[in-house]
Amino acid sequence: DVKVTQSSRYLVKRTGEKVFLECVQDMDHENMFWYRQDPGLGLRLIYFSYDVKMKEKGDIPEGYSVSREKKERFSLILESASTNQTSMYLCASSLFGNSYEQYFGPGTRLTVT
Amino acid sequence: ILNVEQSPQSLHVQEGDSTNFTCSFPSSNFYALHWYRWETAKSPEALFVMTLNGDEKKKGRISATLNTKEGYSYLYIKGSQPEDSATYLCAFQNTGNQFYFGTGTSLTVIP
Repeated sequence: DVKVTQSSRYLVKRTGEKVFLECVQDMDHENMFWYRQDPGLGLRLIYFSYDVKMKEKGDIPEGYSVSREKKERFSLILESASTNQTSMYLCASSLFGNSYEQYFGPGTRLTVT
Repeated sequence: ILNVEQSPQSLHVQEGDSTNFTCSFPSSNFYALHWYRWETAKSPEALFVMTLNGDEKKKGRISATLNTKEGYSYLYIKGSQPEDSATYLCAFQNTGNQFYFGTGTSLTVIP
C-alpha cells in the first residue's frame, strides 16, 4: 500500500514564525504535490514537484516555498506565517507522467495566531 | 483560476437509493478528470481517472462517465450504503499538469 505521511496532524504557530510542513512517501513516486483546503474553496494547488530539486508553481504559491532534496520527501515552507495561512494542508504523490491517480496524506491542520 | 463546479453541494439519501452527482469543467486544455472519495478524518482516495471522451469506468457499485466536449462528468452510486457517506471530489487536470479541484459533493446515506 502506498503510504504518504505528514509530520503533524495539528500545528499552532504564531504570526511571523517560519513553519515547515514535511511530507514523506514510500512508493518511489516522482510527482509530489502540496494543496491547501479551505471551506467553500476546494483543494487548491500550491506547488508541485516532478523530480528531486524540481518545482513548479501551482495556483496559489504566494507566501510559500518548497524543497525537495530527496525523492521521498517534499517540504512546504511558510517563511513568515500569517493568519490567512490558517488552513488544512494536504500532501499527495503520484507516479511520473500524466493521468496517474494521486495518493494523499492525512493532512496537517495549521492554525496561525 | 479555472472553475470546476460540482453539484449538488450536499445530498442525503436513504440506504438502497441510487444517486448521481455532476462535475463541470472547462472543455479546453483537457488532459484528465479525476474522482476522489474523502471520508471524514481520512485521506482522499482515488476512485477513477478518465482521459478519453466517452470513457466509462466502474468500481463495484460506483461508476463514472466523461464528456470532454461539453465539459462534464457524472458519478453514479447504485444502491447507496451508509459506508458510501463521504465527500466526493472531482479534479480537472489540464495539459500543463495543473490540477483544479471542485468543492465536492457531501453524501450522507441514512440507514
